[in-house]
Amino acid sequence: ETGVTQTPRHLVMGMTNKKSLKCEQHLGHNAMYWYKQSAKKPLELMFVYSLEERVENNSVPSRFSPECPNSSHLFLHLHTLQPEDSALYLCASSQEGSYTGELFFGEGSRLTVL
Amino acid sequence: GQNIDQPTEMTATEGAIVQINCTYQTSGFNGLFWYQQHAGEAPTFLSYNVLDGLEEKGRFSSFLSRSKGYSYLLLKELQMKDSASYLCAGANTGGFKTIFGAGTRLFVKA
Repeated sequence: ETGVTQTPRHLVMGMTNKKSLKCEQHLGHNAMYWYKQSAKKPLELMFVYSLEERVENNSVPSRFSPECPNSSHLFLHLHTLQPEDSALYLCASSQEGSYTGELFFGEGSRLTVL
Repeated sequence: GQNIDQPTEMTATEGAIVQINCTYQTSGFNGLFWYQQHAGEAPTFLSYNVLDGLEEKGRFSSFLSRSKGYSYLLLKELQMKDSASYLCAGANTGGFKTIFGAGTRLFVKA
C-alpha cells in the first residue's frame, strides 16, 4: 500500500455535475496539499492544510472546495467545472518540522470536464 | 516574485552523464528540491539542498548556489529507466508552500 492514496484515479464529468476527489495518507504527516498539474505547466499549488486548518488558498476559483476532516483525509469537492479545469489533480502530504519536509504525492486523479 | 526556470526537454545516451539546470528568482526560498516523475506516476523526492554546494546520493547529485539562484541535478551512468520528468522546486520552510518549475523531460536513448 502506498503512503498516499487517491480516488478515483480517473473521472469524467459534465460541467453541471458535482463530484469529489478523495485523498488519504498513511504516513502520520501533519500537512496535506492539493496541486493541479496541466500539460507543460508547473505544478500549481491550490490548497494547503496544516493540522487540519487551511493555511493557503492560491486564488483558486470557488468551484473547487477543499475539506480536511482529519489529519489523514483530504477532499476536493468539484461543482460546475469548466473544460479548462481538465488536469491531473495531485494530493500530497508532508511532515512540517522535519529537516526536508519533502512532499509525498499520491498517484493523482485524472479529471476530464466535458 | 517567484519564478523557476528549467529546460523543457533534454536527450542523453545510456551510460552517459547529464546535467539538468534550474535557475530561480524568488524571495524567501530557503531550500531547493528535485523530484522525479515518470509518465503517469506521482512525483517522488530525489534531493534537497539548503546549503551551497554539492550533495551526492548514488548516481544522482544536486548542487545549489543560493547567491546565484542556481541549482543543477547531475545524473551519472544513465539508464533507460531514468527517462522521466525532473522537477525543480523551491520551498519557504521545508516542504511548506513548495513552488515547482515546469519540469525537464529527459529522454535516455540506447
